[in-house]
Amino acid sequence: DAGVIQSPRHEVTEMGQEVTLRCKPISGHNSLFWYRQTMMRGLELLIYFNNNVPIDDSGMPEDRFSAKMPNASFSTLKIQPSEPRDSAVYFCASSSPGQPFGDEQFFGPGTRLTVL
Amino acid sequence: AQKVTQAQTEISVVEKEDVTLDCVYETRDTTYYLFWYKQPPSGELVFLIRRNSFDEQNEISGRYSWNFQKSTSSFNFTITASQVVDSAVYFCALSEAETSGSRLTFGEGTQLTVNP
Repeated sequence: DAGVIQSPRHEVTEMGQEVTLRCKPISGHNSLFWYRQTMMRGLELLIYFNNNVPIDDSGMPEDRFSAKMPNASFSTLKIQPSEPRDSAVYFCASSSPGQPFGDEQFFGPGTRLTVL
Repeated sequence: AQKVTQAQTEISVVEKEDVTLDCVYETRDTTYYLFWYKQPPSGELVFLIRRNSFDEQNEISGRYSWNFQKSTSSFNFTITASQVVDSAVYFCALSEAETSGSRLTFGEGTQLTVNP
């Protein structure tokens, strides 16, 4: 079975440009998470969805960041306009509906974003 | 306050040595889950174990073992007879039922280097 799929794997862009990161969760999973990993802040949750509905977006840094989940098999994280401090590895993870919380989260390979 | 503390930033051992990675957590929830993830040099996050707050039984899986002690709020991870392939960053994480739902709060990670 395919794991969590993220695209692109690497993205280099210039400051001010719009960036869209994509994620396809594992089929049958109903929770989806976006994390960001930086040297300074470590791994931090940006937002998570349950049954396509955003549940907790308190980790979204500012209005430049937005996330959508139009259906159970696809999610996007958009940064507009991008800034150099957004450079990081962005992970998408999904988990199954077995329990309301505490399930193992399966992580995608990540998207390494570099904003020049 | 840091909810998950991994005090060891870096550990270096020689192959076949045993090594213990420390994790101390902080929560007021009575129901919570603790996790360990491995991040090898390739960058993906690999799930290793999940333990709920009502199960203090230690677990062994091959060369890996975990010691969960609620009295000291610790969830330590031991690798027996370490191998070069164990070299990675290891993250401890916490999920709290009442406080944060499905959100995973990660520690800062411990970089383990196993030298031949």
